[in-house]
Amino acid sequence: AQKVTQAQTEISVVEKEDVTLDCVYETRDTTYYLFWYKQPPSGELVFLIRRNSFDEQNEISGRYSWNFQKSTSSFNFTITASQVVDSAVYFCALSEQRGGGFKTIFGAGTRLFVKA
Amino acid sequence: DVKVTQSSRYLVKRTGEKVFLECVQDMDHENMFWYRQDPGLGLRLIYFSYDVKMKEKGDIPEGYSVSREKKERFSLILESASTNQTSMYLCASSLPAARSYEQYFGPGTRLTVT
Repeated sequence: AQKVTQAQTEISVVEKEDVTLDCVYETRDTTYYLFWYKQPPSGELVFLIRRNSFDEQNEISGRYSWNFQKSTSSFNFTITASQVVDSAVYFCALSEQRGGGFKTIFGAGTRLFVKA
Repeated sequence: DVKVTQSSRYLVKRTGEKVFLECVQDMDHENMFWYRQDPGLGLRLIYFSYDVKMKEKGDIPEGYSVSREKKERFSLILESASTNQTSMYLCASSLPAARSYEQYFGPGTRLTVT
């Protein structure tokens, strides 16, 4: 069964702290895609990163980095030197082929508060 | 820039009414999706469509139907609205199905059923 678990409901940090958001997924498919999205207080979800199941290379983009480990079915997201503007709800998502398209399942989200 | 628009930001309907939520995207995307977002539950997929007139059920299709008559438009229909369908509804679109690409989301419609 397809499932995404974000065990951390809320995280609160002080500005400049590093923070890691956890994501664990379940799938029977060998080909799948993983995503992170950000939902700021304004409400509209914004895409951050996509990874396919054959690419376990970690990625860094500025203060953001992602650690994909198939052995533990995890795709964790780290923000280095957090800033107030990072305050948002972050969603991890898993996509698998179904019928003629791809079905995407989202985790419940982690709400991040960054205090000045 | 991809633009996904939804017909209303806020909607109030009565129990038993038929409700139409419209979504339009301007980037010629094949895939379109409808989700509902509820606190603590994240986004749950209601239906998705990978082509005109094609649809697939998501995880919570009960009480909903969809229509995709034109590529740019994907409609969500609540045949007989109930109070447990009060929620935020999000529409999204993405590139075609050879691979799974990122989704572009609309601003959402907050539906209240009284």
